[in-house]
Amino acid sequence: QSALTQPASVSGSPGQSITISCTGTRSDVGRYNLVSWYQHHPGKAPKLMIYEGIKRPSGVSNRFSGSKSGNTASLTISGLQAEDEADYYCCSFAGNMLYVFGTGTKVTVL
Amino acid sequence: QVQLVQSGAEVKKPGASVKVSCKASGYTFSRHGISWVRQAPGQGLEWMGWISAYNGDTKSAQKFQGRLTMTTDTSTTTAYMELRSLRSDDTAVYYCTIMAVTGVGSFDPWGQGTLVSVSS
Repeated sequence: QSALTQPASVSGSPGQSITISCTGTRSDVGRYNLVSWYQHHPGKAPKLMIYEGIKRPSGVSNRFSGSKSGNTASLTISGLQAEDEADYYCCSFAGNMLYVFGTGTKVTVL
Repeated sequence: QVQLVQSGAEVKKPGASVKVSCKASGYTFSRHGISWVRQAPGQGLEWMGWISAYNGDTKSAQKFQGRLTMTTDTSTTTAYMELRSLRSDDTAVYYCTIMAVTGVGSFDPWGQGTLVSVSS
């Protein structure tokens, strides 16, 4: 199973919007609406930001939103803030009780 | 609240085994599976496998098959991950995380992580 493909880095100024892509195949991202996104600050535990492709857990800012088109899922962060600077990972169900993470994206707030 | 607390850091020699524990609390243990995820230095998150806390069924990523054993102890609501024949590239922070509490296919929350260092 190959990791899902994410851009290595994305940056934006405070207040701007950025989008992180997550490209898989028709066997994982394309087949299931089960992509989740995680925010990971170094030295801390990852935090769930989006699940089932588009849903936000309670307590997560509505500045975070998810979407999907074909084999590519996306995470959009609107109104970028300094505290959003972190690594972000997508994860997809891949069938047969298997999961696969993305390669990770470092978000920098300029 | 739902919480996972993992065992402390380990230092192992190549060829040895390591067993990491993950104590769960704040929910009905048997209702949700536990996944194990690792992050090697400078690398991304890697899903290793999962175990059903209901019946002990397991599924591992292909690269860990034959080296990875996951178990649970329902009496103490603790999950365990044992990795054998350790190599230097197994040096990583290992996390346990609960499956499908928030939604289908989600991992939430996560344990604090356990650093496993493999060095001769």
